[in-house]
Amino acid sequence: AQSVSQHNHHVILSEAASLELGCNYSYGGTVNLFWYVQYPGQHLQLLLKYFSGDPLVKGIKGFEAEFIKSKFSFNLRKPSVQWSDTAEYFCAVMNNNAGNMLTFGGGTRLMVKP
Amino acid sequence: DTAVSQTPKYLVTQMGNDKSIKCEQNLGHDTMYWYKQDSKKFLKIMFSYNNKELIINETVPNRFSPKSPDKAHLNLHINSLELGDSAVYFCASSLLVGGARNTEAFFGQGTRLTVV
Repeated sequence: AQSVSQHNHHVILSEAASLELGCNYSYGGTVNLFWYVQYPGQHLQLLLKYFSGDPLVKGIKGFEAEFIKSKFSFNLRKPSVQWSDTAEYFCAVMNNNAGNMLTFGGGTRLMVKP
Repeated sequence: DTAVSQTPKYLVTQMGNDKSIKCEQNLGHDTMYWYKQDSKKFLKIMFSYNNKELIINETVPNRFSPKSPDKAHLNLHINSLELGDSAVYFCASSLLVGGARNTEAFFGQGTRLTVV
């Protein structure tokens, strides 16, 4: 069975600070990896995704993530956060052998202080 | 145009009632899902249907019964609602045909169910 863990449950940053959110997964096969963002009271939106190729992927709103296969990690980064980045962030692994279902990490609540 | 739409957005009901949440996607996807997000924001798969056939059924009480009349719709019916069913339910869809692997899931707006 696959699992996803996000180490930071709550992160508080000031505007312009750099962000890195950790994500580790356990799954023996080929993985597709995702980061989703959920703004307060809203639905899940895709930030970025990794399927294959360049392990450094760039997403929307200045976010990027690096897939490190040897560490089973897919950490999310942003060099300079904004107040509008306040949201819940979810890392997810897609199991291609199980109907493309997603297994989510527990989420990280990011609060950016203006 | 909304890609994955759920109705209703909010649902408040009493314990013991039966309720349904509807989901429709206009993306031409062949696979649809229901996820549950609890009060701690934890997201977990409940069901998945591929071309109207159930392919994933996680450990969910049998009071929950998904129904897929066609591949563009996946409804969730809940019988005898309990307080613990209060959560946000998200519908999603993706494309599996041809063994598509490089595909993402698109989520609906969510239905916030409150059982009182």
